[in-house]
Amino acid sequence: QSALTQPASVSGSPGQSITLSCTGASGDIETYNLVSWYQQHPGEAPKLIIFGVNKRPSGVSDRFSGSKSGNTASLTISGLQADDEADYYCSSYAGRTTFVVFGGGTKLTVL
Amino acid sequence: QLQLQESGPGLVKPSETSSLTCSVSGGSISDTDYYWGWIRQPPGKGLEWIGIIYSSGAAYYNPSLKSRVTISIDTSKNRFSLRLNSVTAADTALYFCASRKIEYFDWTYDSWGRGTLLSVSS
Repeated sequence: QSALTQPASVSGSPGQSITLSCTGASGDIETYNLVSWYQQHPGEAPKLIIFGVNKRPSGVSDRFSGSKSGNTASLTISGLQADDEADYYCSSYAGRTTFVVFGGGTKLTVL
Repeated sequence: QLQLQESGPGLVKPSETSSLTCSVSGGSISDTDYYWGWIRQPPGKGLEWIGIIYSSGAAYYNPSLKSRVTISIDTSKNRFSLRLNSVTAADTALYFCASRKIEYFDWTYDSWGRGTLLSVSS
């Protein structure tokens, strides 16, 4: 069982906007602005797409945006494209005992 | 841009110790500008953070694995390693090594290897 809770799957149509959620317990998302999101295509390594809740690494499309409210972080993908079909994992720093926790991942299907 | 490449034994028997290695190119493992880590992914499942190490040698581990895991740096070979003791079938996973510039200090990784599969079976 993962420390962060993500829906197992979501789907959307090309051009749509879609939001993925990531819910934590006290001591992680709510406490630290150190939420990250990774995109993983089948057979590939994860790719960092959001860090620090809402920052994008260089080269990541601005169609990806992050936010958080309380103990829930969100990843919004606008203008959905076929290549966005992938697994998405959230991650958060969780303090000096646990350090880092991941969500179980959400499989995004582009219809 | 750093390039990371994992290597390992592939198959180990239950109760044995396994060592995985991450070779670094495009930069120096001694470079204090980076931190290094391991993440694993059981087949068909999600990611699990294993641990992190700084060039100083300071390492921090997932508390659920801490008693069995050691991450170390080998500056002479420009690589870092993961040692996992008393393996069980639950340790079967794709093991990724990864890194990040320390200036961010945000417990994330933006450079990843392709992963090496470790299977535990008798």
